Amino acid sequence: GIQVEQSPPDLILQEGANSTLRCNFSDSVNNLQWFHQNPWGQLINLFYIPSGTKQNGRLSATTVATERYSLLYISSSQTTDSGVYFCAVVGRAGSYQLTFGKGTKLSVIP
Amino acid sequence: SAVISQKPSRDICQRGTSLTIQCQVDSQVTMMFWYRQQPGQSLTLIATANQGSEATYESGFVIDKFPISRPNLTFSTLTVSNMSPEDSSIYLCSVKGDRVGEQYFGPGTRLTVT
Repeated sequence: GIQVEQSPPDLILQEGANSTLRCNFSDSVNNLQWFHQNPWGQLINLFYIPSGTKQNGRLSATTVATERYSLLYISSSQTTDSGVYFCAVVGRAGSYQLTFGKGTKLSVIP
Repeated sequence: SAVISQKPSRDICQRGTSLTIQCQVDSQVTMMFWYRQQPGQSLTLIATANQGSEATYESGFVIDKFPISRPNLTFSTLTVSNMSPEDSSIYLCSVKGDRVGEQYFGPGTRLTVT
């Protein structure tokens, strides 16, 4: 099946700093989503981005499908950005199975 | 996007017992999914639940251990049977979104088995 790798596994930032999270996938995808899992375990949809670039406030994401990677940018980080960021993809056409990466654990310190 | 609720939000159970987790959606959805997240790990799909048909289980998950019901288009249950400490996880339900492959997740049920 499709493989999803995220980097870095852990990231500690000072409040106000910027960061880039990376997601590599091993095959073509029909869907790519970025999620934020808060400390209470809730998965929050950040972006649905099988290709192209999107922005939502301080967050933006870019997926280069032909090169099989996606990037999530966080600018001016805040302590509330802490948590785990997951990239998840749907590979095989007609499948709905989301394959998740192992996540990037982000800690933003004041 | 759909609003999804789960009950219970958390529970502590004795080994050998069973727990049924409920997932309620505020709109009719064709496809619902159940995921497991073991401590410190990523999410793994347990099964896909379509209304009116048997759930489809992923490799490594069996119906006897994780029976699923899908009685209508807004509700599903997952039962974790004959629990052991290895079943301690967050269990999340999700629903298919409007776009290809898109999914939205419920708040999860945090299960601890002692």
